[in-house]
Amino acid sequence: QVQLVQSGADVKKPGASVKVSCKASGYTFTSYGISWVRQAPGQGPEWMGWINAYNGNTNYAQKLQGRVSMTTDTSTSTAYMELRSLTSDDTALYFCARFVSGFYYYFDYWGQGTLVTVSS
Amino acid sequence: EIVLTQSPGTLSLSTGERATLSCRASQSVRSNYLAWYQQKPGQAPRLVIYGASTRATGIPDRFSGSGSGTDFTLTISRLEPEDFAVYYCQQYDSSPPELTFGGGTKVEMK
Repeated sequence: QVQLVQSGADVKKPGASVKVSCKASGYTFTSYGISWVRQAPGQGPEWMGWINAYNGNTNYAQKLQGRVSMTTDTSTSTAYMELRSLTSDDTALYFCARFVSGFYYYFDYWGQGTLVTVSS
Repeated sequence: EIVLTQSPGTLSLSTGERATLSCRASQSVRSNYLAWYQQKPGQAPRLVIYGASTRATGIPDRFSGSGSGTDFTLTISRLEPEDFAVYYCQQYDSSPPELTFGGGTKVEMK
């Protein structure tokens, strides 16, 4: 069965960077994209961007351009999301999700979420 | 950027009742670019509907989606206890490539 397993919770100081991993299993990793979605406490989901796991092409939300990087390691079927110059506004639950694109665009499987807390 | 506005913010209903959730877009959205998700506290969102009207794998047929253009609807024909949750609509815009979520509708037990 399809599974996305994310790295554990992290606490960072303002100005630092965080890198979250997402290990996929149960499907051919390069046949789908991986998207990252975050959710601040009590808020709705916010799309951060996606990466094509086949060729590494990325699309980032305009709001996060320059601060976010998404990469994959196809040898281990793992996706990574790095967010730099953290502020308290980046405190959120970060999800990876398998991304279906082409004719339809949606997220069909999700990781369990990684809580990132930014605090001095 | 296309903004999705969901209404109502909260829907208070009883088990067995019909739930009608609205998602209105600030610009026209292609039907194949519209999806709905269910989220329960402490869990990741779960795909319910994609392509505006196609149920995802394992979703019971009491869930249905409809609409086109700027107005989309998620209907739950007869609420079951496990359906009480927050529902989000999501759209894809190709120029530039962006995905956005609505603010959510909470379906709570009356």
